[in-house]
Amino acid sequence: DQQVKQNSPSLSVQEGRISILNCDYTNSMFDYFLWYKKYPAEGPTFLISISSIKDKNEDGRFTVFLNKSAKHLSLHIVPSQPGDSAVYFCAASAGGFKTIFGAGTRLFVKA
Amino acid sequence: DTEVTQTPKHLVMGMTNKKSLKCEQHMGHRAMYWYKQKAKKPPELMFVYSYEKLSINESVPSRFSPECPNSSLLNLHLHALQPEDSALYLCASRVEAARNTIYFGEGSWLTVV
Repeated sequence: DQQVKQNSPSLSVQEGRISILNCDYTNSMFDYFLWYKKYPAEGPTFLISISSIKDKNEDGRFTVFLNKSAKHLSLHIVPSQPGDSAVYFCAASAGGFKTIFGAGTRLFVKA
Repeated sequence: DTEVTQTPKHLVMGMTNKKSLKCEQHMGHRAMYWYKQKAKKPPELMFVYSYEKLSINESVPSRFSPECPNSSLLNLHLHALQPEDSALYLCASRVEAARNTIYFGEGSWLTVV
């Protein structure tokens, strides 16, 4: 049972354009959502998070949007840069110890 | 500083060997985690320690044995592993259970031959 779903295995975007990565969840108890970026042979790096009491959080080029009624969140990267090419994981937690990860979306930013 | 340090970065071991993976953080985080990640898959939770006590064991086989000697250190003892246990093992920590951002180390690549 996948509680956190990233339905797009990959996404290709031109440098300078917007990248939009999507994530859906099924557990209505989730109240905190995170995005991680992962390069090959490295551990995931925390990017940005959002609490369920907000619908938007912005940090530089990265913005996360949360639509609780649709159980959907998205990560926007503007402008996209070649160095953003990596696997992006969406994650969610319900206040306890467990953080559940999606399967990841591989982003390719073309120069 | 959000640094979680893992050693070794690479480990090759035979199925009869005993080895250990080590993890260290000096951020004062009281929850520490072991995750396992296979290629093209998300990180999969194995163990959680909270205040140096084992809080979660996700039905991990006993050939994996975690240990938390103190609040800064987390070990994963490996014995009689199988080739299918080959994966990236990730250590992570967070301030405490109520604070939800977890920070990962760079991982230890394990190959079982």
